[in-house]
Amino acid sequence: ELKVEQNPLFLSMQEGKNYTIYCNYSTTSDRLYWYRQDPGKSLESLFVLLSNGAVKQEGRLMASLDTKARLSTLHITAAVHDLSATYFCAPGRDDKIIFGKGTRLHILP
Amino acid sequence: DTEVTQTPKHLVMGMTNKKSLKCEQHMGHRAMYWYKQKAKKPPELMFVYSYEKLSINESVPSRFSPECPNSSLLNLHLHALQPEDSALYLCASSQPDREVKGQYFGPGTRLTVT
Repeated sequence: ELKVEQNPLFLSMQEGKNYTIYCNYSTTSDRLYWYRQDPGKSLESLFVLLSNGAVKQEGRLMASLDTKARLSTLHITAAVHDLSATYFCAPGRDDKIIFGKGTRLHILP
Repeated sequence: DTEVTQTPKHLVMGMTNKKSLKCEQHMGHRAMYWYKQKAKKPPELMFVYSYEKLSINESVPSRFSPECPNSSLLNLHLHALQPEDSALYLCASSQPDREVKGQYFGPGTRLTVT
């Protein structure tokens, strides 16, 4: 059974700082997603990582995947208030994806 | 068109009512999903349809009944729900076997069972 552990679950940080969210998963996965969710809203796809060593960047966010360690990271560079949201990692296997518990990111101006 | 639409946006129903949630996409995706999300929790997978056939049912109670009338539409029929079924119900779609862009999520239906 595919299990996902995401940490930290809550992160409060100052604007301008860097931080990393970690996502560990328990068994082989053939893809991994990062999603963003704003309060009361739906999920927005940020990154799809399909292979070992994959790295993708969009603005101040960068995601990476190490399939051997079963670890993905989401790195935030020089955080800004607009990045405040909940971030979910979701590894996938066969027809389904399993969401981590999410990291509630609060960026203080 | 890269949008998944869901109706209604909000639904309040009593425990004896029968209602349906609707989801639609016109991206040519052949996999569609229903998720349930409680406040401050991650989405939980309920059902997966692949090429209009039910491929995954995550042990969902029979008071939830999915239907996929065609490749663009997905319904979730609700009957005799309990207050604990109140949640945000999210529909998603993707291209199976080639999920290079992930699952696209609709805006959700916020369901309240009274």
